[in-house]
Amino acid sequence: DGGITQSPKYLFRKEGQNVTLSCEQNLNHDAMYWYRQDPGQGLRLIYYSQIVNDFQKGDIAEGYSVSREKKESFPLTVTSAQKNPTAFYLCASSRTPGQGDTEAFFGQGTRLTVV
Amino acid sequence: GDSVTQMEGPVTLSEEAFLTINCTYTATGYPSLFWYVQYPGEGLQLLLKATKADDKGSNKGFEATYRKETTSFHLEKGSVQVSDSAVYFCALSDETGGGNKLTFGTGTQLKVEL
Repeated sequence: DGGITQSPKYLFRKEGQNVTLSCEQNLNHDAMYWYRQDPGQGLRLIYYSQIVNDFQKGDIAEGYSVSREKKESFPLTVTSAQKNPTAFYLCASSRTPGQGDTEAFFGQGTRLTVV
Repeated sequence: GDSVTQMEGPVTLSEEAFLTINCTYTATGYPSLFWYVQYPGEGLQLLLKATKADDKGSNKGFEATYRKETTSFHLEKGSVQVSDSAVYFCALSDETGGGNKLTFGTGTQLKVEL
């Protein structure tokens, strides 16, 4: 079955450590996205990528980094510079406009807790 | 910039009651509009969508109509079930620049009781 896989589902990090969240899709989508979800604030865009080897900052990119070396993969690194990293992180993918329906498909999320 | 405003929750209803969750938007172009649903501990699932004015999206008994004149996309269901308990997000898609960025509302939690 096609879909998006995020791993791990739960992640604990000590303060001062970098941590990388995995996101893989087999939907052949060009575009991929990372969102952060906090209670009562909806979803906020961290980074997005429309094509391999290219990505743009979203609304809250500070303290995060990404790479897009393969079409299927869009890992997110939460660095020690992120002041409040405890949150639920969601990865999504979609076709780009002109390629058909553009609705986003989401992974099951990774809950990151700083201890 | 683009924004989405939806009614705050939680909304608590009895089974078989009528549901309305209000959503209004602000956008510079002609966005597509979506409703997503999130069950506890899971990611978001697309519930329905509408891509142009006056389109009606529908799925699983839920409906929403793209109203350009009132910049609204209210979600309705005639008879809710306990299994509809979840958080519902209204979103719009900005496709300018060749991308497909989604802007979300803050979500509305729905609780359906027997």
